Amino acid sequence: GDSVTQMEGPVTLSEEAFLTINCTYTATGYPSLFWYVQYPGEGLQLLLKATKADDKGSNKGFEATYRKETTSFHLEKGSVQVSDSAVYFCALSEFTGGGNKLTFGTGTQLKVEL
Amino acid sequence: KAGVTQTPRYLIKTRGQQVTLSCSPISGHRSVSWYQQTPGQGLQFLFEYFSETQRNKGNFPGRFSGRQFSNSRSEMNVSTLELGDSALYLCASSLDGARSTEAFFGQGTRLTVV
Repeated sequence: GDSVTQMEGPVTLSEEAFLTINCTYTATGYPSLFWYVQYPGEGLQLLLKATKADDKGSNKGFEATYRKETTSFHLEKGSVQVSDSAVYFCALSEFTGGGNKLTFGTGTQLKVEL
Repeated sequence: KAGVTQTPRYLIKTRGQQVTLSCSPISGHRSVSWYQQTPGQGLQFLFEYFSETQRNKGNFPGRFSGRQFSNSRSEMNVSTLELGDSALYLCASSLDGARSTEAFFGQGTRLTVV
């Protein structure tokens, strides 16, 4: 079945540091790929998405490129802020069995310190 | 416009009881999905409804059920509660549930089974 693997956390960075959170996936078809962010006590918020190979999703300084050849969708940000501290989930979406479902990675907690 | 609304936000139930959770999707959205989030298992797909029909179902026992009404509002029910059902239950809505369409999540219902 489909699966998503992302790097273990927590990841601790100083403010203005460069961020990379690795994500790789396994899927039988051609999924769409997403990054979601979850702040404490909240639900998930969509951060960015890419729907086909070589697409780049971007939002709020975060970027990720859909790499079909390496089945990856790594999240990057050039300069993190304390407010970026949250849990980040990589996910894929496939239209299976007549319906849609998201398959999530385990999440990576990011802590940004001053 | 209003986001996805889940009620109640918190619930405490006793083993053996049943519980019903409610989700009101974003206006105009016809697809509603439910996910269970636990520290051990992460985010797991429960089921998806579209136009009052269940289109997809995850690997959960029959104690977990759901339905969708004509106004797209959805409920999920868990019968004969077990301690392991303690989790954050998240509802997500999307326009049509297509693989490329982003899902918008509610803040979740935190269920504690004692």
